[in-house]
Amino acid sequence: QVQLVQSGAEVQKPGASVKVSCKASGYTFPTYGISWVRQAPGQGLEWMGWISAYNGNTNYALSFQGRVTITTDTSTSTAYMELRSLRSDDTAVYYCARAGGSGGAGTLWGQGTLVTVSS
Amino acid sequence: QSVLTQPPSVSGAPGQRVTISCTGSGSNLGAGYEVHWYQQLPGTAPKLLVYGNINRPSGVPGRFSGSKSGTSASLAITGLQAEDEADYYCQSYDSSLSGSVFGGGTKLTVL
Repeated sequence: QVQLVQSGAEVQKPGASVKVSCKASGYTFPTYGISWVRQAPGQGLEWMGWISAYNGNTNYALSFQGRVTITTDTSTSTAYMELRSLRSDDTAVYYCARAGGSGGAGTLWGQGTLVTVSS
Repeated sequence: QSVLTQPPSVSGAPGQRVTISCTGSGSNLGAGYEVHWYQQLPGTAPKLLVYGNINRPSGVPGRFSGSKSGTSASLAITGLQAEDEADYYCQSYDSSLSGSVFGGGTKLTVL
């Protein structure tokens, strides 16, 4: 069926990096883009960036520029989000969502990946 | 502070109608960018309720409706049900930030 399945929970130390995957199935991957959104414990949603699965064009939130990289592997219909120089306030659930553009609606969401940053 | 402003909480009795507002500015809603609405139940991923200001994805009940005017948008829920108790978020694009933005979220309590 049509779904996005994300990789499992991660525990990382401050200063480290994390790479979360998001595997799409049930639809033609290059037809849509993928957004990444995070949610800190008890907090709201925060948009991190978007990538076109068609041509790899990216758009990152200003607050994450220089620290985040979003990529895709069209051969496996998988999107990746790498966040570097982790801090304790990066502890959050990270979601991928299928979206037509940077401002596009998230029509299909992954189940979320909890990333915990702790020494 | 979120670029899009939502009330922290709203409440209503079963069967009643409630509205959730989303107030932006000239660089997002006022610039004509579309607004989308999501419902998030505890411990689950957000679910798209309304896209492109007024459109409902297949499977979303007609009790949920969206509207937009100028720098503001609203989500209306009629015939309130216990299972509507959730957090609701609006989303749009902001040209000053060159990216998407979410409202701070509104917790709906069904009394």
